Amino acid sequence: DIQLTQSPSFLSASVGDRVTITCRASQGISSYLAWYQQKPGKAPKLLIYAASTLQSGVPSRFSGSGSGTEFTLTISSLQPEDFATYYCQQLNSYPFTFGPGTKVDIK
Amino acid sequence: EVQLVQSGAEVKKPGESLKISCKGSGYSFTSYWIGWVRQMPGKGLEWMGIIYPGDSDTRYSPSFQGQVTISADKSISTAYLQWSSLKASDTAMYYCARQSGLQKDFDYWGQGTLVTVSS
Repeated sequence: DIQLTQSPSFLSASVGDRVTITCRASQGISSYLAWYQQKPGKAPKLLIYAASTLQSGVPSRFSGSGSGTEFTLTISSLQPEDFATYYCQQLNSYPFTFGPGTKVDIK
Repeated sequence: EVQLVQSGAEVKKPGESLKISCKGSGYSFTSYWIGWVRQMPGKGLEWMGIIYPGDSDTRYSPSFQGQVTISADKSISTAYLQWSSLKASDTAMYYCARQSGLQKDFDYWGQGTLVTVSS
């Protein structure tokens, strides 16, 4: 199985901050990576697919980059509704594993 | 509008069987893979497996192979996740999700089904 690691696992930030989350894969996955946002008690929501393509309806302050084994999710200016847990997922080979998550909390 | 509607919360005893469901609407149910994701209390997301309702082709994570069965009834646009003998460690929220066509990410999610297994 392809293993994903995320860093940091926890992040404390303020409204307006620029936030970057990193996802690393144990082997190359080309651009087969997605990012999800999950708020407490809710189902995950797709933010970005194909490493850098914004899902329809997702605010442009979210962006993704990377290929191969290293990927980043950036929130350019953190908004109150962005406090949540973020997961990456590799879609290169079965099983389509998720990263362990990064919780973004209010400073 | 694409929707995935899951069956309601379940409380079961260890050793009992269970089948939960996920009904799709607003799209061609037979043309997209449907997956299942486990989230144990306070933990992250775990990819369990997926099924293609068009021909019932199924793929499982090795972690869940033999532990659960994924199936689908295309006549009623419904996917299922079932257990033959539940354990306390199966207590979790279970989500179904539609896998998008090309990139294989999960673009639509059900609301989740909470399964509690306790004696």
